Amino acid sequence: GAGVSQTPSNKVTEKGKYVELRCDPISGHTALYWYRQSLGQGPEFLIYFQGTGAADDSGLPNDRFFAVRPEGSVSTLKIQRTERGDSAMYLCASSSRDYYNEQFFGPGTRLTVL
Amino acid sequence: GNSVTQMEGPVTLSEEAFLTINCTYTATGYPSLFWYVQYPGEGLQLLLKATKADDKGSNKGFEATYRKETTSFHLEKGSVQVSDSAVYFCALSDSRGSNYKLTFGKGTLLTVNP
Repeated sequence: GAGVSQTPSNKVTEKGKYVELRCDPISGHTALYWYRQSLGQGPEFLIYFQGTGAADDSGLPNDRFFAVRPEGSVSTLKIQRTERGDSAMYLCASSSRDYYNEQFFGPGTRLTVL
Repeated sequence: GNSVTQMEGPVTLSEEAFLTINCTYTATGYPSLFWYVQYPGEGLQLLLKATKADDKGSNKGFEATYRKETTSFHLEKGSVQVSDSAVYFCALSDSRGSNYKLTFGKGTLLTVNP
């Protein structure tokens, strides 16, 4: 079956602009995670959804970052007033109710803020 | 808080050599431990996992044993292949309810030469 998909694969924007990054989890997966990976580093947790609700947003760096999952499937990560330091790979992962401990990752969106 | 420290790379080996990538962790409670692999141009994939002390995870010839007494989860393979060239990430999850957010190490780049 289809894996986790993320769009766009690459996004180049200018400082100060607004961006949206989309994640389509594996069908039926109730848990969804967003991570951010800077060059040469491991992924860092941003936010966790269980169904439609953000159950843990402790990793969001500041209030410019926001994420939604209105119908419990697709999620959108929104970044306002982008800064050069936001440039990174943004990864999405999902897991099923029966196998919470196994996360399946998407290919990521590479965000570049000029 | 939780943290993962893994051997810095890059690691360069000849085909059929023995591989060890060290990983130690700090966590509250009893975390689950993982190795993820990122092949060139691809997304993160779960390689193996162990959920309790003394468990051994194994996959594709790779093994790692959950050592609570040394808080370690070293990755080993007896005979590496060129196709094993990738970045390897050690990670842990310290579940809170259904939240299995991952904490990653910085990653180790492995290059295997023919």
